[in-house]
Amino acid sequence: AQSVTQLGSHVSVSEGALVLLRCNYSSSVPPYLFWYVQYPNQGLQLLLKYTTGATLVKGINGFEAEFKKSETSFHLTKPSAHMSDAAEYFCAVSNSGGYQKVTFGTGTKLQVIP
Amino acid sequence: DAGVTQSPTHLIKTRGQHVTLRCSPISGHKSVSWYQQVLGQGPQFIFQYYEKEERGRGNFPDRFSARQFPNYSSELNVNALLLGDSALYLCASSWRADRELVSTEAFFGQGTRLTVV
Repeated sequence: AQSVTQLGSHVSVSEGALVLLRCNYSSSVPPYLFWYVQYPNQGLQLLLKYTTGATLVKGINGFEAEFKKSETSFHLTKPSAHMSDAAEYFCAVSNSGGYQKVTFGTGTKLQVIP
Repeated sequence: DAGVTQSPTHLIKTRGQHVTLRCSPISGHKSVSWYQQVLGQGPQFIFQYYEKEERGRGNFPDRFSARQFPNYSSELNVNALLLGDSALYLCASSWRADRELVSTEAFFGQGTRLTVV
């Protein structure tokens, strides 16, 4: 079984401040982890993914995430928030059971305050 | 290259009716997955199809069914619609579904917004 927990359904940051969105996962096998972003009335766009190898993963738009096995975490960060970062962010885990079922967290809405 | 395309973009149906949603994957992608996203929640896995066969199914009733065609496009069918079926239905395509490439990312379409009244 696999699951993800996103801590905080809403996060507010000031423009230029650090963005930190928290995600913890549970998986009985080595996980494949993803962060997706969703703008209003749109589909999901992949920000970054962790499969194997380097635990610090860099994605698009200046986002990065670090896979910490000991903490079962995959938190998303960005050094300086921009107004255009306001959106909903989903952490997700993919199984390795032979088909690609992606399990999503409940999402975190990021508000950026000017 | 075109991304994942879904049609229609919006749909309003009455309780008890049937609906068909369509998805065209990215060219070359053989795997299509369907997700339901209820307002305020994360997407929930419904089905995955690969090479026209169902490879995975989420916890959804038999009212939900799908199929994949030889050109890898897919349809999601929902019978006897309930108010609770109102959601954004997302289609995702990826290269393959086999174990070695399970980490391949899924590319999502813009979704079909279904409203059941």
